[in-house]
Amino acid sequence: TQLLEQSPQFLSIQEGENLTVYCNSSSVFSSLQWYRQEPGEGPVLLVTVVTGGEVKKLKRLTFQFGDARKDSSLHITAAQPGDTGLYLCAGHMDSNYQLIWGAGTKLIIKP
Amino acid sequence: KAGVTQTPRYLIKTRGQQVTLSCSPISGHRSVSWYQQTPGQGLQFLFEYFSETQRNKGNFPGRFSGRQFSNSRSEMNVSTLELGDSALYLCASSLAAGKGWGEQYFGPGTRLTVT
Repeated sequence: TQLLEQSPQFLSIQEGENLTVYCNSSSVFSSLQWYRQEPGEGPVLLVTVVTGGEVKKLKRLTFQFGDARKDSSLHITAAQPGDTGLYLCAGHMDSNYQLIWGAGTKLIIKP
Repeated sequence: KAGVTQTPRYLIKTRGQQVTLSCSPISGHRSVSWYQQTPGQGLQFLFEYFSETQRNKGNFPGRFSGRQFSNSRSEMNVSTLELGDSALYLCASSLAAGKGWGEQYFGPGTRLTVT
């Protein structure tokens, strides 16, 4: 059982559309990170959120940490082909030393 | 600042052989973590080293081992390779010094194929 569930698992949309991907859990996380991974490369950190309700923006990407710190979302506005990749969320719990990873959302933006 | 480097980038081995992968972290980072990534299982945590000590370990058999040197460089070894060990092996370094919740900076990975 995944502690962090990401949805959808796969998403293919046209350039210019908006989209939201989710990272959900029944557990509380002290912090949550989002990464993007392109084929043949390692994941690259996009953002870290640590406060419940926190919203962070990175150009066309908006990240939100849930008020209860059990979930997070990534919203992309006017998606571009360069946004294509595997989006991974990862979180830390105070009770668990390890970084817990979601299975990822594979995103394809078609020109 | 140079990023995380991993060598080799690609490797082909046969069943029963052993393999050693190398990782050089970002300068100043003392934590190195190793992950196995496959299409079916996603990103699976292998182990983490900090200051030459294994600080945490995932659920992998004893065939998977690692070590860290005084300069923070790390190696992982897989003995008696099996077909199922074919994967992308990722190394990540972090500044984490306390509870280990630092942000991970990944290398490009080593693509291991076992035939």
